[in-house]
Amino acid sequence: GNSVTQMEGPVTLSEEAFLTINCTYTATGYPSLFWYVQYPGEGLQLLLKATKADDKGSNKGFEATYRKETTSFHLEKGSVQVSDSAVYFCALRPTQGGSEKLVFGKGTKLTVNP
Amino acid sequence: NAGVTQTPKFRVLKTGQSMTLLCAQDMNHEYMYWYRQDPGMGLRLIHYSVGEGTTAKGEVPDGYNVSRLKKQNFLLGLESAAPSQTSVYFCASRLNYEQYFGPGTRLTVT
Repeated sequence: GNSVTQMEGPVTLSEEAFLTINCTYTATGYPSLFWYVQYPGEGLQLLLKATKADDKGSNKGFEATYRKETTSFHLEKGSVQVSDSAVYFCALRPTQGGSEKLVFGKGTKLTVNP
Repeated sequence: NAGVTQTPKFRVLKTGQSMTLLCAQDMNHEYMYWYRQDPGMGLRLIHYSVGEGTTAKGEVPDGYNVSRLKKQNFLLGLESAAPSQTSVYFCASRLNYEQYFGPGTRLTVT
């Protein structure tokens, strides 16, 4: 079946540190891949997406590249800010069977200290 | 546009009570979803709808019912609440690739 595995947190970094949050997936075909962010007390919002192999999604200084060969979609940011503190969810949308639904990872909580 | 709104924001129920959570979206989206979020479990899909008058079961549908009588509204009902249903509930609607989430309802069942 379809599944998403992301690194367990929590992750604590100092401001301006480099961030990587690992995400790997299991799916048939070529799913679409997403990163969502949830700020404290809010719902999730789309951070970036990639819909085919080798696509790079980017937004607000965050990047992730769709790697079909390693079934990965790792989230990176070169210099984090305190305002990036949030929970980050990796997700996929299957292309075969159940394409109307998203499959989410369990989330990784990031705390950035000044 | 208000986007996706949820009512109420907080609720405390006693075991066995019933309630309905309302989700409304003003973006004319066809697809709508109800999730629950629990610590360490991520988001789990309860029910979803691919259009007005349709509903389908998600990953954890037991103990919940839904209705989509109008395109803009998606109701989640708990007929007899249980402590295991203590959670934060999120509604979402979808356009193309992106799901738009509401702010959530925090439900506690004692």
